[in-house]
Amino acid sequence: LAKTTQPISMDSYEGQEVNITCSHNNIATNDYITWYQQFPSQGPRFIIQGYKTKVTNEVASLFIPADRKSSTLSLPRVSLSDTAVYYCLVGDDRGSTLGRLYFGRGTQLTVWP
Amino acid sequence: DGGITQSPKYLFRKEGQNVTLSCEQNLNHDAMYWYRQDPGQGLRLIYYSQIVNDFQKGDIAEGYSVSREKKESFPLTVTSAQKNPTAFYLCASRVQGQDTQYFGPGTRLTVL
Repeated sequence: LAKTTQPISMDSYEGQEVNITCSHNNIATNDYITWYQQFPSQGPRFIIQGYKTKVTNEVASLFIPADRKSSTLSLPRVSLSDTAVYYCLVGDDRGSTLGRLYFGRGTQLTVWP
Repeated sequence: DGGITQSPKYLFRKEGQNVTLSCEQNLNHDAMYWYRQDPGQGLRLIYYSQIVNDFQKGDIAEGYSVSREKKESFPLTVTSAQKNPTAFYLCASRVQGQDTQYFGPGTRLTVL
């Protein structure tokens, strides 16, 4: 599975837009890009998934360039409750193989008042 | 409500004792997973199971054992052979064709 690289930590203020970029140079043709969010002492929660271009849901947007070697999670107008660890995963997450996913250390986002 | 339950939320054991962590799901998911998380670290895969009566080792299986006798249940036993068992343990499940793993609330194990 493709390895991902993302910043260890980021800081922001309430109301700002936050963009977290993830590098995945060895992404395979069948791989999807998935982002999870984890609060302290809780299990990770699925945020968004995409294959190419742009995906948007009620929580976030995911931007993927044409070469798919990186992706950017965009959180609009963050609040204090968005303080969490964000994980970028790359793999065949459509469940077709029911295989394993790899969670790295993620990005600790801290939102300040 | 459908979901994944893990019990207990906090668990204390003396060194040298085996302990079993419970994971139950009523989502009718085929695959189940156990992860370990240490402070400031990501999730590391211990074991996973794609179907009943079958499971595979993850990256850190030494000192752990699992069973999958029922689709709904995937208990994890932390044995005395595990050198540093104190950690946060997360169970997850996934069904073929869906995009995501669903996680339970976790069990924080402390070995005294």
